[in-house]
Amino acid sequence: AQSVTQLGSHVSVSEGALVLLRCNYSSSVPPYLFWYVQYPNQGLQLLLKYTSAATLVKGINGFEAEFKKSETSFHLTKPSAHMSDAAEYFCAVSVASQGNLIFGKGTKLSVKP
Amino acid sequence: DVKVTQSSRYLVKRTGEKVFLECVQDMDHENMFWYRQDPGLGLRLIYFSYDVKMKEKGDIPEGYSVSREKKERFSLILESASTNQTSMYLCASSGYMSSYNEQFFGPGTRLTVL
Repeated sequence: AQSVTQLGSHVSVSEGALVLLRCNYSSSVPPYLFWYVQYPNQGLQLLLKYTSAATLVKGINGFEAEFKKSETSFHLTKPSAHMSDAAEYFCAVSVASQGNLIFGKGTKLSVKP
Repeated sequence: DVKVTQSSRYLVKRTGEKVFLECVQDMDHENMFWYRQDPGLGLRLIYFSYDVKMKEKGDIPEGYSVSREKKERFSLILESASTNQTSMYLCASSGYMSSYNEQFFGPGTRLTVL
């Protein structure tokens, strides 16, 4: 069975600082991995996805994530935080044979001026 | 662009009322999902559907039912609303041809049961 663990329910960074949101997954078969972002009172929007092509995936708004099979990780990074990045971020995993996504519990990112 | 719409952004109901949450997608997707989202618990899957008139229970189906009479529409029904069903409800869809099970989400319905 697949599962996702997001380390840290809240992360706070200063504007201009590095953003690092951690995600570890468990899957017995090669997974597809996703990061979604949710702004207040909105639905989820796809940031980026890993589909077994390049291990370094670039997404929207300057975010990227690196798939590391040996560490079963898919951490999300952004070199320089902006106030508009304040949101909740969800990591999710799925496998080819199933249509469902398994979500982590989310990490709320705060950006201080 | 895929568009998933939900019938209400905010809804206030009384305990014991029957509540209908509607979701419509415009991309001819086969799969549709209902989640509820609560602080600290992330997204929890209530029900999903892989085809018209088909439904599968998710992780927390108790107190809910669903209906999928048309491919583009997936309804979530609270037969007798209770205060512990106060939550944010998110609908999503995906297609067999969509990229690797990527799901597209609606804006959510924030339901308050008094």
